[in-house]
Amino acid sequence: TQLLEQSPQFLSIQEGENLTVYCNSSSVFSSLQWYRQEPGEGPVLLVTVVTGGEVKKLKRLTFQFGDARKDSSLHITAAQPGDTGLYLCAGRFSGGYNKLIFGAGTRLAVHP
Amino acid sequence: DTAVSQTPKYLVTQMGNDKSIKCEQNLGHDTMYWYKQDSKKFLKIMFSYNNKELIINETVPNRFSPKSPDKAHLNLHINSLELGDSAVYFCASSQEKLAGGRLPDTQYFGPGTRLTVL
Repeated sequence: TQLLEQSPQFLSIQEGENLTVYCNSSSVFSSLQWYRQEPGEGPVLLVTVVTGGEVKKLKRLTFQFGDARKDSSLHITAAQPGDTGLYLCAGRFSGGYNKLIFGAGTRLAVHP
Repeated sequence: DTAVSQTPKYLVTQMGNDKSIKCEQNLGHDTMYWYKQDSKKFLKIMFSYNNKELIINETVPNRFSPKSPDKAHLNLHINSLELGDSAVYFCASSQEKLAGGRLPDTQYFGPGTRLTVL
């Protein structure tokens, strides 16, 4: 049983389309991060959200942390081929060390 | 300049062999990690060291033994390799703020080591 469920698992869209990726859990996280991983490389941090209801924007990417801090979403506007990759959400429980629990990822393909 | 480096990039070996993967970070971080990413891309933490001290030890077979000679290095030795050990192993590092901090530090990942056990 995974603590973090990501959906969809796969997403194939055309350049210019909008998309949303979801990260859901029954657990409350003190913070949640989104990473992007390209083939043959390690994940790279995109954003950290901490406060329930928080919204952060990174150019065409909008990240939201749910009010109850159990879920998060990533919205990409006008997707480009360069957005292609594996998007991973990772949650952290309060206290203790920086142990991240990763979701299984959403594999995004943006076609020209 | 490479922040987190791993060697080797690829490792192909027979069942039953013993192998090691090395990791080095030049970021001056205190904490290092080993993750395993399976064929379904699920990334799971295995171990974490803070200043050479083991702080996270997940349910991992004791055939896996991490070693941190100093805070810039974290190596992973695997004994008696099994088919199920085939995966990509990632090393990562962060400047950890210990207990009580809500905001996690960024973890910087290495490029991964693809281990194939035949």
